[in-house]
Amino acid sequence: DAKTTQPPSMDCAEGRAANLPCNHSTISGNEYVYWYRQIHSQGPQYIIHGLKNNETNEMASLIITEDRKSSTLILPHATLRDTAVYYCIVREGGTSYGKLTFGQGTILTVHP
Amino acid sequence: GAVVSQHPSWVICKSGTSVKIECRSLDFQATTMFWYRQFPKQSLMLMATSNEGSKATYEQGVEKDKFLINHASLTLSTLTVTSAHPEDSSFYICSARYTQGPMNYGYTFGSGTRLTVV
Repeated sequence: DAKTTQPPSMDCAEGRAANLPCNHSTISGNEYVYWYRQIHSQGPQYIIHGLKNNETNEMASLIITEDRKSSTLILPHATLRDTAVYYCIVREGGTSYGKLTFGQGTILTVHP
Repeated sequence: GAVVSQHPSWVICKSGTSVKIECRSLDFQATTMFWYRQFPKQSLMLMATSNEGSKATYEQGVEKDKFLINHASLTLSTLTVTSAHPEDSSFYICSARYTQGPMNYGYTFGSGTRLTVV
């Protein structure tokens, strides 16, 4: 089962920052948090991932709380093309070959 | 970098026939690949983990004799849906894992294959 909880849907105005929350209260110390997004009928696209420190790349920023029980994905200037389903995933460790188990994600709709 | 190519992008087959889907890592070696299935308006469901040179590990409830996985090289994994039936119609997606550091992995996904069984 997915180890994360996300709101089912969110709206955002074009040009504004989109802040997508994710709860992962049962995360273990060596488990990474990954964010992917999926546009209809395409494969998931990697956005960002992190372990404990905040991360930033050309697409987004990932803010992980100090206790690691939650995180927020920030799209600094949302565009219409950012409309997609966003998945927050905690990568399983141990002997599970590090598989990614997807939850239901957040449907982000960016409005003009 | 870390590009995965999945073919075909869509396929229509007759009930009872078999269909093979290929997943290739283009610019890296993938010892571990994953196969997912996605039904309309649902999330991705992991079917199996494919490891180069060994048998695949299937998730609970996935029929290994129906969904044959072969990972014979470091750049190619195949999923064969045998004796396909209309209920197997779905969007199949592969993923390949690559190493970015100690216990730090990246995962890249193929563009998916839309299978329609008629």
